Amino acid sequence: GENVEQHPSTLSVQEGDSAVIKCTYSDSASNYFPWYKQELGKRPQLIIDIRSNVGEKKDQRIAVTLNKTAKHFSLHITETQPEDSAVYFCAAQGGGADGLTFGKGTHLIIQP
Amino acid sequence: DAGITQSPRHKVTETGTPVTLRCHQTENHRYMYWYRQDPGHGLRLIHYSYGVKDTDKGEVSDGYSVSRSKTEDFLLTLESATSSQTSVYFCAISRLQGGSNTEAFFGQGTRLTVV
Repeated sequence: GENVEQHPSTLSVQEGDSAVIKCTYSDSASNYFPWYKQELGKRPQLIIDIRSNVGEKKDQRIAVTLNKTAKHFSLHITETQPEDSAVYFCAAQGGGADGLTFGKGTHLIIQP
Repeated sequence: DAGITQSPRHKVTETGTPVTLRCHQTENHRYMYWYRQDPGHGLRLIHYSYGVKDTDKGEVSDGYSVSRSKTEDFLLTLESATSSQTSVYFCAISRLQGGSNTEAFFGQGTRLTVV
C-alpha cells in the first residue's frame, strides 16, 4: 500500500518568514495530493491540493509543488501570520474510491 | 461543512462493550470513510464505502466493522472495545468527478475513551 513520509514534525518560524513542509510517497499510481490544516480540537480542513498532471499550484500565500519522478511534494507558506499556527497534514491518493494516506503531520509554530 | 454530522461527539465506554459511531450526510455523496487520529500517527483509514452495502477495509480495520444500509448513513462499530481504540474518529466524504478524486470533507470528529 501507499506510504507517506512527512518532515519536519515540528517547524518554528518567525512571523513574516516562509515555511516549507515536505512529503514523499511510495506508490507511483497515486495521482492526488491534498494538504490539510488542523487547528486544535477542530476537524482537518483542505487548504490546497494538486493532481499529478500539474507541477505547481498557488493560492495567495500558499503554494504546492509536485515532483512525480522523485515522488515528493511540498507545501510553501509565505509571509507567515499567527493564524497559520496549526498542524498540517499531507496526503496521497490513487484513483477510484481508496481513501487518503496521510503523513504524520507537521506542527507549525509562528513566533511573534 | 458538506452536511456531515457525527454522533456522538464524545463517549466514554468500558472495555469489552460494543460501541457504534454514526456518520450522517445530507448531500448524497457516494463515497464515505472512517479514519482514526492518534498522536504521532496522523489520520489512518479504518474502513470506507463506495455505495450502499459496498464497503472495504482500510489500513487499521482489525476490531472494527461498518455498515451502510442507506446512502446517508455510515456506521462504525467497535465489536468489543479495547483501550487501544481510545482515539478521535473522523468520518469523511469525497466526490469523484470524471474518475478523479476531489477533496475530502471531514465531520467534526468523535472523541472515544475506552476505560
